[in-house]
Order: sequence, then structure tokens, then C-alpha cells
Amino acid sequence: QSVLTQPPSVSGAPGQRVTISCTGNNFNIGAGYNVHWYQQVPGTAPKLLIYDDSSRPSGVPDRFSGSKSGTSASLAITGLQAEDEADYYCQSYDSSLSGSVFGTGTQVTVL
Amino acid sequence: QVQLQESGPGLVKPSETLSLTCAVSGGSISSDYWSWIRQPAGRGLEWIGRTYISGSTNYNPSLKSRVTMSVDTSKNQFSLRLRTVTAADAAVYYCARGRSPHTSFDSWGQGTLVTVSS
Repeated sequence: QSVLTQPPSVSGAPGQRVTISCTGNNFNIGAGYNVHWYQQVPGTAPKLLIYDDSSRPSGVPDRFSGSKSGTSASLAITGLQAEDEADYYCQSYDSSLSGSVFGTGTQVTVL
Repeated sequence: QVQLQESGPGLVKPSETLSLTCAVSGGSISSDYWSWIRQPAGRGLEWIGRTYISGSTNYNPSLKSRVTMSVDTSKNQFSLRLRTVTAADAAVYYCARGRSPHTSFDSWGQGTLVTVSS
């Protein structure tokens, strides 16, 4: 049911760079609504990682960065670390639903 | 830093009503937007809806016919009622804060597991 599509999984070796895509449409990302990213370690609540496309809350390492173009957004993790193993979700607003929408989620594995 | 804590029955019978409350501490509920989000086991996040102090609400269209949300300023808490539950409603339910309808959820409760079973 998610209107934002993410790859199910991505993986990388420690120190590498990985990216996660989030594809929407002209009612959400393409309409200019901000994209936000969350990190969820299994068994815990999601944690805000990136807000308003590319801003980091206090305490989030600058290894995490976000970008947006057209109907898609991306989260990049540089210098991948073992502690980055988690599920990642994008989120935006959808005008056709008049509400928030989440991505399908991506599991990041550190090899 | 605002903190949120969900509470309510962990077990609900099919066809009955799920009722949860989210207590807000460290800040006033009289500002900001308050949402409920759920996550079935092994699956992704689903936004259920949001409420505001004014009484305005927005619900996920897929759940709108069964959902009611409200704010209790005297107790600094907000609530969720989901009617006529089925097994598909079993999930971890989170409450969360958004500064506006379009923004991120910057504070989350720890989540509460709701099982639907007779």
C-alpha cells in the first residue's frame, strides 16, 4: 500500500558508501513536499535521521546525507559502519491522501 | 525534549475496539500535531492519522471509516480508537509528534504491541 518505493535491501562493506532510493509521484515528492528519513533498529522505535530533504538533527553523524530530485529522494551513508545495520524508511506528505506516507523500507546490511 | 509513552490493552478480541493513549511529557500537547503510526510484525510503517489541539483530524483513507483520534489537554495526552478490529490490525502501535502536517516525526513513543485474538 506504500506510495513511496524503496529497494528491499542494500549492503556494503565497512567504510563503503551505500545509497537508498525513495521513489514517489507528483502528489508527494514530485509536488515539492519534503522527504524525511528514519533509521530503525529491530525492536526499537524509528529514529529521525534526515528531515526536510537534507537536514540532520543534532547528534546524527554527517556520514548520513539526503538529497531530492524530481519525484525521487536518496539517502547516502558514507564510511559504512557495523552500527549502521538497520532498516531505513523515507516519509513525505501526499496531497491526494491528505496525509503522511512512508516508504516500503530498506534493510541495510554491513558485510 | 518531549517524551511520549503509549498505553493500552495488549490484547483485543476480533470485532472489538482497540483503544490506546499516548502521554506527552516534557512539553505541552497544546501545540504541534500528534500522530499514530503502526507496524505489523516484519513489515513496514503505516501512518494511521493525526490530531491537533483544535480538534482537527486527518486519517489514512484506508482506515478512516474505523478510526477516531482526540486530544485531552487536561491530561496532556491523546488517544486512538480503532473499531471492529481484525487480525490485520495486529501491530506495534507508535505515537509520534510532528511540528506541522507536512513535517517529520521528531519524537516517538517506544511502541506498544497489540495482538488481536479471541
